[in-house]
Amino acid sequence: GENVEQHPSTLSVQEGDSAVIKCTYSDSASNYFPWYKQELGKGPQLIIDIRSNVGEKKDQRIAVTLNKTAKHFSLHITETQPEDSAVYFCAASGGTSYGKLTFGQGTILTVHP
Amino acid sequence: KAGVTQTPRYLIKTRGQQVTLSCSPISGHRSVSWYQQTPGQGLQFLFEYFSETQRNKGNFPGRFSGRQFSNSRSEMNVSTLELGDSALYLCASSAGTGSQPQHFGDGTRLSIL
Repeated sequence: GENVEQHPSTLSVQEGDSAVIKCTYSDSASNYFPWYKQELGKGPQLIIDIRSNVGEKKDQRIAVTLNKTAKHFSLHITETQPEDSAVYFCAASGGTSYGKLTFGQGTILTVHP
Repeated sequence: KAGVTQTPRYLIKTRGQQVTLSCSPISGHRSVSWYQQTPGQGLQFLFEYFSETQRNKGNFPGRFSGRQFSNSRSEMNVSTLELGDSALYLCASSAGTGSQPQHFGDGTRLSIL
């Protein structure tokens, strides 16, 4: 089955800096890659996603890149703010894995004012 | 549009008991997926229902079961509870056709004494 590895497990940045979180996946049939932000006491919130027919997608300060050949995808957050502090998860799905997202282990992002 | 609603938010049970958790998806969504979140194992897929049928199942014992009603609401049942079942149980809904974005509720926190 699919396996998703996520790095780093913790990331500490100063306000205004950029943050990058990287994931690799194992199943070449995967074609959908969402990113979630989870705050304390809340469920994961979808922040951006990308499909395998696209190499990059941007939404204001957030961007995601996908390298299908290397089976890598990354989340980039620019001009970080303290409210970006949370746990971020990458995930992968596709093929006949109906409704199943395989998640990375998560990255705890801390943005210091 | 109302989000995904999970009830109850918190539950305390003892070993050997059984429990039923409820999930109301976003209006119009026909797919409901369930996940278990623990500090050690992260987010793990339990099962997915679409139009009252289980389409996919993760690697959990048969004590974990679910069902979906004609209005797309879903319930998850865990029988003969074990200490290791203590976790945050999350459900997510999506349109269900192809790889559609999943939107999560805030979960039910289950504690086993």
